[in-house]
Amino acid sequence: GAVVSQHPSRVICKSGTSVKIECRSLDFQATTMFWYRQFPKQSLMLMATSNEGSKATYEQGVEKDKFLINHASLTLSTLTVTSAHPEDSSFYICSATIYTGELFFGEGSRLTVL
Amino acid sequence: AQSVSQHNHHVILSEAASLELGCNYSYGGTVNLFWYVQYPGQHLQLLLKYFSGDPLVKGIKGFEAEFIKSKFSFNLRKPSVQWSDTAEYFCAVNAETGRRALTFGSGTRLQVQP
Repeated sequence: GAVVSQHPSRVICKSGTSVKIECRSLDFQATTMFWYRQFPKQSLMLMATSNEGSKATYEQGVEKDKFLINHASLTLSTLTVTSAHPEDSSFYICSATIYTGELFFGEGSRLTVL
Repeated sequence: AQSVSQHNHHVILSEAASLELGCNYSYGGTVNLFWYVQYPGQHLQLLLKYFSGDPLVKGIKGFEAEFIKSKFSFNLRKPSVQWSDTAEYFCAVNAETGRRALTFGSGTRLQVQP
C-alpha cells in the first residue's frame, strides 16, 4: 500500500518555541492531506484539511495561527506548532488520500512541550 | 456531519474467544466505512474497509465486518482472538463524495489474556 512518512517521530521542546512536523507521501501524490491530533487514550480529532497549493481548512476550535499548515507540493505537508505550550503536547498524525478515497496514515509525531 | 459511536470502550477476552466490537454511525448520505487498529506504540493500520458491494467485508489477520445499512452499523468480528490482537480498534467513516476526512469513533481497547 501507499506509504506516508512523518518526521520527527518524537520531539521535545521548551515552552514558547515552535516545532515543525513534516508529512510526506513517499510513493504517490496526495492532493489532500489531513492532520489529526490524538490525546492519550482518546480518539483522533481532525484538526485541518490541507490541499496542495491552497490554504488549509481548519476545524472549528482549532487555532489557525497556532497550528500553521503548509502544503507546498503534492508529496509534502507541514504542521508548525507555534509558540508551543504544555497543553499542545499530543500525538499528531497526518494522513493522505489517493484518488480511490482510501486514506493512509503516517506513523505519528509525539510532541512533548516542557 | 457524520458521527461514529463505539459502544465498547474496553474489552477483555481470553485467547480463542470470539470478538465482536460494535460501531454505529450517523450520516444522511452514503458513507465509506473503515476499521483501523493501533498496536501499542505503533501507528494506525487499516484492518478493512467497505466502499460498496458485498456488505460482509474480510480484512487482514482474520478480521471481518458486516455493514448493515438499516442499522447504520459496521461491527467488527473475529472468531478466535489471539494475544497479539491486543490493541486499540477504531471505527471510522467518511462521506462517499466530497470531503474525504475520516471521522473516528472513540476507540475500543481490546485486551486479550493468554
